[in-house]
Amino acid sequence: TQLLEQSPQFLSIQEGENLTVYCNSSSVFSSLQWYRQEPGEGPVLLVTVVTGGEVKKLKRLTFQFGDARKDSSLHITAAQPGDTGLYLCAGARSSASKIIFGSGTRLSIRP
Amino acid sequence: DAGVTQSPTHLIKTRGQQVTLRCSPKSGHDTVSWYQQALGQGPQFIFQYYEEEERQRGNFPDRFSGHQFPNYSSELNVNALLLGDSALYLCASTPGQGDYGYTFGSGTRLTVV
Repeated sequence: TQLLEQSPQFLSIQEGENLTVYCNSSSVFSSLQWYRQEPGEGPVLLVTVVTGGEVKKLKRLTFQFGDARKDSSLHITAAQPGDTGLYLCAGARSSASKIIFGSGTRLSIRP
Repeated sequence: DAGVTQSPTHLIKTRGQQVTLRCSPKSGHDTVSWYQQALGQGPQFIFQYYEEEERQRGNFPDRFSGHQFPNYSSELNVNALLLGDSALYLCASTPGQGDYGYTFGSGTRLTVV
């Protein structure tokens, strides 16, 4: 059973469109992170959210941690081909516990 | 400043053989975690090393073992390789055991034939 469920699994959109990726769980997390992974590379950390309801912005990317700290979303505005990749959410159940990953959302942006 | 370094980058082994993968953490990081990533999946936690001891372990059989050296570098050993062990093995480092953001290496692509 996947503790962190990501949706959608695959997403292909046109350049300039907006999109939202979701990360859901029935468990509470002390923190949640988003990573982006390109083929042949390891995941690269985009953001860490730790407070319920927290919103963080990274240029055209907006990350939100749910009020109950069980879910998160990633919104991309005006997607560009360079945003293409595998987006992974990952969470820690406590500050000293391992980080577990969702199954990922593979995003493709068409020029 | 070098990030996380993994070697080798690619490896082909025969079923039943043993393999050792290596990881050097980012400078200033003392905690190393290993993950297995099958094609099209998210990384699965194998184990974490801190102060040269295995601190946490995921749901992997005893065929998977590891070691951390005094300089914080780490090895992942897999015995009696199975075809299903074919995957990208990722090493990640952090400055301590907290839920900090991980710095990942580029991984070792292991193919078992």
